[in-house]
Amino acid sequence: AQSVTQPDIHITVSEGASLELRCNYSYGATPYLFWYVQSPGQGLQLLLKYFSGDTLVQGIKGFEAEFKRSQSSFNLRKPSVHWSDAAEYFCAVVPGAGSYQLTFGKGTKLSVIP
Amino acid sequence: NAGVTQTPKFQVLKTGQSMTLQCAQDMNHEYMSWYRQDPGMGLRLIHYSVGAGITDQGEVPNGYNVSRSTTEDFPLRLLSAAPSQTSVYFCASSRAEGGSYGYTFGSGTRLTVV
Repeated sequence: AQSVTQPDIHITVSEGASLELRCNYSYGATPYLFWYVQSPGQGLQLLLKYFSGDTLVQGIKGFEAEFKRSQSSFNLRKPSVHWSDAAEYFCAVVPGAGSYQLTFGKGTKLSVIP
Repeated sequence: NAGVTQTPKFQVLKTGQSMTLQCAQDMNHEYMSWYRQDPGMGLRLIHYSVGAGITDQGEVPNGYNVSRSTTEDFPLRLLSAAPSQTSVYFCASSRAEGGSYGYTFGSGTRLTVV
């Protein structure tokens, strides 16, 4: 079955440390991939997206993600985390061209220690 | 440039009551969808529409009805509310297939069924 998996429910990092949030998908073709962030009580904000081309994608707020076809992964990274990055992060997938449906992973909650 | 507007922002219902969550967009997007967000479950697709008069079920459609008579509006109806429908509901729209122009999300409706 098609699915999006975020293996880590909760991650805690110290401010200034690097961050990597994992996302794996199981779709037949190369899907379109997204990362969203949600602060407590807020809506969803798009961090970055990948459709094709360069497998390293730059987003807002200093985030980047790398698409690895061989591993069916689209991991989100940031070299130095700020306290304001504490939020919940969602990986999401569209099966590909011709599809509209956006399917979300269950999310990873990020806590930042000052 | 209102984007996606959801009303109401908060609602408390008694079990068995009915209500309609409103979603309107002013971007002439052909695709609209409803999600529910529950702790630890991410966002799950309830229903979606690819144009006026066309709707389909998502992952968790039971207990919800939708219709789409205009491009702008996509209301979500709860015919007989149940405590299991306590959740935060998000409406989203998109201009094109695959989300190549992104998805626009509303700010959410927090529903409590007692």
